Amino acid sequence: KNEVEQSPQNLTAQEGEFITINCSYSVGISALHWLQQHPGGGIVSLFMLSSGKKKHGRLIATINIQEKHSSLHITASHPRDSAVYICAVRGSGGSNYKLTFGKGTLLTVNP
Amino acid sequence: DTGVSQNPRHKITKRGQNVTFRCDPISEHNRLYWYRQTLGQGPEFLTYFQNEAQLEKSRLLSDRFSAERPKGSFSTLEIQRTEQGDSAMYLCAGEGVSGGPGEQFFGPGTRLTVL
Repeated sequence: KNEVEQSPQNLTAQEGEFITINCSYSVGISALHWLQQHPGGGIVSLFMLSSGKKKHGRLIATINIQEKHSSLHITASHPRDSAVYICAVRGSGGSNYKLTFGKGTLLTVNP
Repeated sequence: DTGVSQNPRHKITKRGQNVTFRCDPISEHNRLYWYRQTLGQGPEFLTYFQNEAQLEKSRLLSDRFSAERPKGSFSTLEIQRTEQGDSAMYLCAGEGVSGGPGEQFFGPGTRLTVL
């Protein structure tokens, strides 16, 4: 079992729909990251969370430390949101530098 | 644009050849990470530097792989005697260190194809 599990693996939505991508992890963490990767490889950091909730534009990220679970929400989805969304965690204590990644969720938003 | 650059962007090589990739983070990035990503998978940690010191290497990094960051600025990743299984996207990321862990800024990656 991977340390970081994402669901769903693939998600297709119509423009305007509310999107939720889930991430569960099995290790102690110091922070959780949500990343966006477009075709061609470039990865962009969306959020870094250690507790609670963060919002940036139409994106909202939440984390529940006790349940070891995080969600990424996209409101009023748009075709330009189509990308792979990756959850990654940073370990706690002596291993709090490197990221451990989920496999990603491929989001396709149709017009 | 994250300010982190990687060269080359694409590399096609024949099995058995040596290849070297370069990563240039921004000057504030004390930490520098190398990751490898294969098709359909999330990135996997390879190694990381704090300034010029290489502090950890993953077990994924066989003896054919070596990484350097000689002056604490740019970094190189060399793969000797490439194998077809080395085909992947190689990503580097920079991170400034101020207090606890921070955001990592990724370069565009180098896509390696070993024929």
